[in-house]
Amino acid sequence: SQQGEEDPQALSIQEGENATMNCSYKTSINNLQWYRQNSGRGLVHLILIRSNEREKHSGRLRVTLDTSKKSSSLLITASRAADTASYFCATDAKGEYGNKLVFGAGTILRVKS
Amino acid sequence: GAGVSQTPSNKVTEKGKYVELRCDPISGHTALYWYRQSLGQGPEFLIYFQGTGAADDSGLPNDRFFAVRPEGSVSTLKIQRTERGDSAVYLCASSPQGPGLGYGYTFGSGTRLTVV
Repeated sequence: SQQGEEDPQALSIQEGENATMNCSYKTSINNLQWYRQNSGRGLVHLILIRSNEREKHSGRLRVTLDTSKKSSSLLITASRAADTASYFCATDAKGEYGNKLVFGAGTILRVKS
Repeated sequence: GAGVSQTPSNKVTEKGKYVELRCDPISGHTALYWYRQSLGQGPEFLIYFQGTGAADDSGLPNDRFFAVRPEGSVSTLKIQRTERGDSAVYLCASSPQGPGLGYGYTFGSGTRLTVV
């Protein structure tokens, strides 16, 4: 079964607003990554946060990681219509779940112009 | 090449037939991964290659599925006796080195397999 779970399943906002997506996971991790997917095809890597990091920024993206709660959040500031996509968190797990990224079911983001 | 290339982009096959899906990773990437994604779901891990060898094939659903990477670059996912439940988008990804080393994956555009 997939380890990560995103919340909410779907999010609809107006252009210019901020979008926040959350991810929970179950095991110890090496790092956690966020990906974007348009039209159900290839995924694009957005950002990676290591287990010893708490916050990371990349352009309009801000990712936080709380390993004690086994959770992460992705914040997209000043959203644009082009940000409309599905967003997935993926954990690079240690131990028995290692050797691959394990993806959640994703959050569908719709940004209305 | 500049990105991960997957061919064909779409494949329709009859139940019971054999199919091969090809992945050409980024040159120099030693790690290659196959995932399967059904509608409304996240990608599901199938197999991970480090070089020529399958380092983890725990995600292959049954023995009808097999993958190879004979020269450590191009990989082929092979599905025998296809079933309608095999219909999905099959995604390939590569990274410079294996998991746990802090590299993101670069994904191809996928092969949409439809079994009729």
